[in-house]
Amino acid sequence: GEDVEQSLFLSVREGDSSVINCTYTDSSSTYLYWYKQEPGAGLQLLTYIFSNMDMKQDQRLTVLLNKKDKHLSLRIADTQTGDSAIYFCAAKGLSGGYNKLIFGAGTRLAVHP
Amino acid sequence: GAVVSQHPSRVICKSGTSVKIECRSLDFQATTMFWYRQFPKQSLMLMATSNEGSKATYEQGVEKDKFLINHASLTLSTLTVTSAHPEDSSFYICSAGDGANPEQYFGPGTRLTVT
Repeated sequence: GEDVEQSLFLSVREGDSSVINCTYTDSSSTYLYWYKQEPGAGLQLLTYIFSNMDMKQDQRLTVLLNKKDKHLSLRIADTQTGDSAIYFCAAKGLSGGYNKLIFGAGTRLAVHP
Repeated sequence: GAVVSQHPSRVICKSGTSVKIECRSLDFQATTMFWYRQFPKQSLMLMATSNEGSKATYEQGVEKDKFLINHASLTLSTLTVTSAHPEDSSFYICSAGDGANPEQYFGPGTRLTVT
């Protein structure tokens, strides 16, 4: 089945760019997602990209997809302290007849002054 | 984005009792709802997928008689943890999609503590 992997921790200085990386194994994944989770809260959908695209930009967020390498990244420009959270990468694919999201373990982003 | 609510946000119950958690899509019709469980500092584990009007599909290792899921309408799904035990204590999160679009929106989660 699908396996999604992410690095567990990233620390950046306020104002710098953050890049969170993710790899997945199922080349038939149709959509790839980035979610943000703050402590004690649910997941907030940040953005998603269709598998036939290689880039998507939305304000401070840029998603890059390398389908050949099955590598996804999320770049956050001008990172702020409010961006401190856990970021989950997820891949959607057919499994057991249903479209399911398979999540990575999450990357904890710490932003320091 | 679309709004998904969960109720209650926190619940404490005694061992052996049952607890019901509601998940509602507030501004769209959710043809499919998903229930996840999240342990501290871990990722989300999919428990089951439910489509409106049909039986839920459970992931391997999830007891369907213990975690009862009902998706009776396009805006409401419920998860009932029956005969809860301390090991059922966890953060339960639902998500919903309308089937026509790729977005899947999550509720704020329910923290269940079984004493």
